[in-house]
Amino acid sequence: GESVGLHLPTLSVQEGDNSIINCAYSNSASDYFIWYKQESGKGPQFIIDIRSNMDKRQGQRVTVLLNKTVKHLSLQIAATQPGDSAVYFCAERHAGNMLTFGGGTRLMVKP
Amino acid sequence: NAGVTQTPKFRILKIGQSMTLQCTQDMNHNYMYWYRQDPGMGLKLIYYSVGAGITDKGEVPNGYNVSRSTTEDFPLRLELAAPSQTSVYFCASSDPGDRMWNEQYFGPGTRLTVT
Repeated sequence: GESVGLHLPTLSVQEGDNSIINCAYSNSASDYFIWYKQESGKGPQFIIDIRSNMDKRQGQRVTVLLNKTVKHLSLQIAATQPGDSAVYFCAERHAGNMLTFGGGTRLMVKP
Repeated sequence: NAGVTQTPKFRILKIGQSMTLQCTQDMNHNYMYWYRQDPGMGLKLIYYSVGAGITDKGEVPNGYNVSRSTTEDFPLRLELAAPSQTSVYFCASSDPGDRMWNEQYFGPGTRLTVT
């Protein structure tokens, strides 16, 4: 079936550096793509979303880029902080607000 | 608001036992969901509900049942527990009328082990 996946299972960055987390998707019919953050022992938490007719959206310290030509989604975190350490999931939205989640990337921030 | 609450936090079941995972939300959301998350993996949708009295199967419904008698509650039932159901279970809710309706609010999860 359709799926959403990630390129890198673990990303280690230095505190203060920028982080880039990547995701590949296969369902061109999805109308939104979303990033979630999951800290250890907690449920996922919404970070940012992007509509399929956009190629960039910025939030506070985060930017999501969508490249529909190659079906690629990325999350950029500026000035990465220790509190950003978590597993990050991309997800695509289907009709009825159903989400299909990718496999996750663990971000480790070194002090 | 307490948001989405789940009980219990942890549970160990023997093969063949039954149990109900409880989920309650106090945000008056119409949509509720049950996901399972296996170690190192993403979340997979088990069942969802778009309102009281309405439920539908997700990606991995086998071995589970749900009911939605009220807006607030969405319990997940395991009838004959199997080792393959060892996982962390997350309940979530959202509201399509909400401006941020892509945001599903997740509970803290229930860690279930079947031995």
